[in-house]
Amino acid sequence: EVQLVESGGGLVQPGRSLRLSCTASGFTFGDYAMSWFRQAPGKGLEWVGFIRSKAYGGTTEYAASVKGRFTISRDDSKSIAYLQMNSLKTEDTAVYYCTRDLPTAVTTLGKIDYYYYMDVWGKGTTVTVSS
Amino acid sequence: DIQMTQSPSILSASVGDRVTITCRASQSISSWLAWYQQKPGKAPKLLIYKASSLESGVPSRFSGSGSGTEFTLTISSLQPDDFATYYCQQYNNYWAFGQGTKVEIK
Repeated sequence: EVQLVESGGGLVQPGRSLRLSCTASGFTFGDYAMSWFRQAPGKGLEWVGFIRSKAYGGTTEYAASVKGRFTISRDDSKSIAYLQMNSLKTEDTAVYYCTRDLPTAVTTLGKIDYYYYMDVWGKGTTVTVSS
Repeated sequence: DIQMTQSPSILSASVGDRVTITCRASQSISSWLAWYQQKPGKAPKLLIYKASSLESGVPSRFSGSGSGTEFTLTISSLQPDDFATYYCQQYNNYWAFGQGTKVEIK
């Protein structure tokens, strides 16, 4: 069974750091891009960041709201994706979800673009930033 | 940034009703649109990708259509398990969601 399990959430003071983990099972983790999303209490879904598979460079992208503070990494040998969150703010309070991302490749004039959607979601881990 | 707008925000319906939710993008996203269902306290679940492709295991009463800037999610005959919040998501340029449509019991 394909599964993602987030961990590492908790209560943290503003300005402090926290690292979330996303442990994958049931599929070849290294073959897939992964993302993190979040949902503040009573609010909608927000993209946080994305990491490509090593085959596509393993590079990352971030939402403007977290760029420079959050870092995504991956350990393919352990099938884990990480979200390192620094300089936390009260507005970072949310349930954090990791996802497995599936690409669609489109070739235009010899250039290949990839479009990723999220087919598997973890159950989430709660982060509360409060003094 | 691409903005996604869903309507309505709340939809009251009865079991057996045909339900349609609309999602509009602030600029063309071709067919790079997904729909998700979320129940309280649960993770989102993928229903539709590439505007109209049904995810494996999702009941055929769910369907999606549209391209460019206007999209719809239709539930042909609403079932008790379908009362939930639905989100559209563009994945043409990074990722952004609509604000959600809560489908509640009439």
